[in-house]
Amino acid sequence: DIQMTQTPSSMPASLGERVTISCRASQGISNYLNWYQQKPDGTIKPLIYYTSNLQSGVPSRFSGSGSGTDYSLTISSLEPEDFAMYYCQQYDSSPLTFGSGTKLEIK
Amino acid sequence: EVQLVESGGGLVQPGRSMKLSCAASGFTFNNYDMAWVCQAPKKGLEWVATISYDGSSTYYRDSVKGRFTISRDNAKSTLYLQMDSLRSEDTATYYCARHSGGYFAYWGQGTLVTVSS
Repeated sequence: DIQMTQTPSSMPASLGERVTISCRASQGISNYLNWYQQKPDGTIKPLIYYTSNLQSGVPSRFSGSGSGTDYSLTISSLEPEDFAMYYCQQYDSSPLTFGSGTKLEIK
Repeated sequence: EVQLVESGGGLVQPGRSMKLSCAASGFTFNNYDMAWVCQAPKKGLEWVATISYDGSSTYYRDSVKGRFTISRDNAKSTLYLQMDSLRSEDTATYYCARHSGGYFAYWGQGTLVTVSS
């Protein structure tokens, strides 16, 4: 199975700050990488697919990049609704696997 | 508007069975693969199973093969997960998701399954 390692596991940040969450795969995944946001009530929202494509309706302050084994999600200027859990997910090979998550917290 | 509504969760004893349902609306159900993803308490997300748009192909993670069965009724726009021989480690919130080429584009709100005596 491909292991997905997210760093950091938690990140205190301030409103308006630019933040980057990293995701490293245990082997190359050819950009087959998605990002999701989970709110405390459990609601899961897809954000980005195939490394850098924004899901319809997702604000442009979200962006994704990467290649090979290393990928990242960047939020250019934090809004109050952005404080949540974030997960990366690879679909290069089965089983599909997720990272362990990054909790974005208010500083 | 796409909606996925799970039901059927609850408390079940180890070794027993439970069947989850997911009612879909707002899209042409029989055009899309569907999946179940679970999340154990305070843990991350874990893909469980996927079924093709027409039900002809199914895929499972190793830990549930032979115990869980994913199925669908396209006439009813409903996805199912039959869970047999349940174990304590199956305790989780189970999410239904529309699955397109490795991407879970829409998710339900989840239903909690607790396996305990």
